[in-house]
Amino acid sequence: DTEVTQTPKHLVMGMTNKKSLKCEQHMGHRAMYWYKQKAKKPPELMFVYSYEKLSINESVPSRFSPECPNSSLLNLHLHALQPEDSALYLCASSQDQAGNQPQHFGDGTRLSIL
Amino acid sequence: EDQVTQSPEALRLQEGESSSLNCSYTVSGLRGLFWYRQDPGKGPEFLFTLYSAGEEKEKERLKATLTKKESFLHITAPKPEDSATYLCAVRMRNSGGSNYKLTFGKGTLLTVNP
Repeated sequence: DTEVTQTPKHLVMGMTNKKSLKCEQHMGHRAMYWYKQKAKKPPELMFVYSYEKLSINESVPSRFSPECPNSSLLNLHLHALQPEDSALYLCASSQDQAGNQPQHFGDGTRLSIL
Repeated sequence: EDQVTQSPEALRLQEGESSSLNCSYTVSGLRGLFWYRQDPGKGPEFLFTLYSAGEEKEKERLKATLTKKESFLHITAPKPEDSATYLCAVRMRNSGGSNYKLTFGKGTLLTVNP
């Protein structure tokens, strides 16, 4: 079982809906990440939070809005998404961003945009 | 330009037939090379971290090695349950140059037939 928990596992939404993806870890990690993964492609980094502050935004469209309420939680707020945003959204955490420790991934949220 | 290239894209083995997967990289200043296993519909599962040339790590039927230009994931006497996509990732600076991020290769899809 993964130590990074993501909810929901599946989400179907229309282009005008607003929804949120949630991620939780209890490993005491201080860096948390959002990735997007399309079918048969590797994960692509979207955002990095380090000590609850946004440290990397990989030029992600503003219809994706990350939030880190505390050191254990990471949210991704979705609004006015496009069909091409359908993908597996993965959350990961690591001990911190500056170190060389591995990132540990959740099992993702499968998002479908109608 | 920093790059991570995995080969082959796909590999079919018979149970018990040993082989190797390759991950070559061109990075100015390696900060860690990571191997992950990903099953369909799941997030990547961490396997190994390698930091310096000559380093080796083992886990059950898997052994990872690292040189200055590439890493190999050796699979000895594989079983059908070893079937998965194996991802290699390299820790490198992001485009802004101020932080480190994980950049993935495209993966090798391994199928082990009974």
